[in-house]
Amino acid sequence: DTAVSQTPKYLVTQMGNDKSIKCEQNLGHDTMYWYKQDSKKFLKIMFSYNNKELIINETVPNRFSPKSPDKAHLNLHINSLELGDSAVYFCASSQDGGGIRNQPQHFGDGTRLSIL
Amino acid sequence: KQEVTQIPAALSVPEGENLVLNCSFTDSAIYNLQWFRQDPGKGLTSLLLIQSSQREQTSGRLNASLDKSSGRSTLYIAASQPGDSATYLCAVSSRDSGYALNFGKGTSLLVTP
Repeated sequence: DTAVSQTPKYLVTQMGNDKSIKCEQNLGHDTMYWYKQDSKKFLKIMFSYNNKELIINETVPNRFSPKSPDKAHLNLHINSLELGDSAVYFCASSQDGGGIRNQPQHFGDGTRLSIL
Repeated sequence: KQEVTQIPAALSVPEGENLVLNCSFTDSAIYNLQWFRQDPGKGLTSLLLIQSSQREQTSGRLNASLDKSSGRSTLYIAASQPGDSATYLCAVSSRDSGYALNFGKGTSLLVTP
């Protein structure tokens, strides 16, 4: 059973298009995240979200937006894709633990986005 | 702003050696520190999590230590095997990042037979 699953695994598209990446977790966690891994393999947080608050990394362009239809899903929408958006995007989840925040984060396998 | 540094960037050792990977962070106000393994083209596998109140955690041949006051953590791998070859990532969670993880750039480990 996959704990954190992302679809699609690969996404190749043209510059200027709008695309979405889906993420689902079956761990019952209440906090979900999106990370970006660039060409140099450096991982950086994009969004942190639970049912109470959305925290956005200020460096993320507003073309990127997270959408959470329910607690088990956090999808990533990207408008007007640019060449620099090519990267691997990882979804993760963790259990808040009543604010203690000492539970490990579990990651999906990533979505490899290539912009032509 | 929290910054995480990992040394060395790359390491090659013969099978059987014990080795140490280093991680340092600039802001000691952390909730926890997590070590991950990433294989090429794959996601991240959580290895160990150390809470800010703990000094170390062990899992099999892996031992991670944490010295929060000095902003340092080490990952010790005993009796290394070729299957340990991967990139090892250190990450810290703190309130100023919304509890998200701040990652180092990783140590790429190659264990040769």
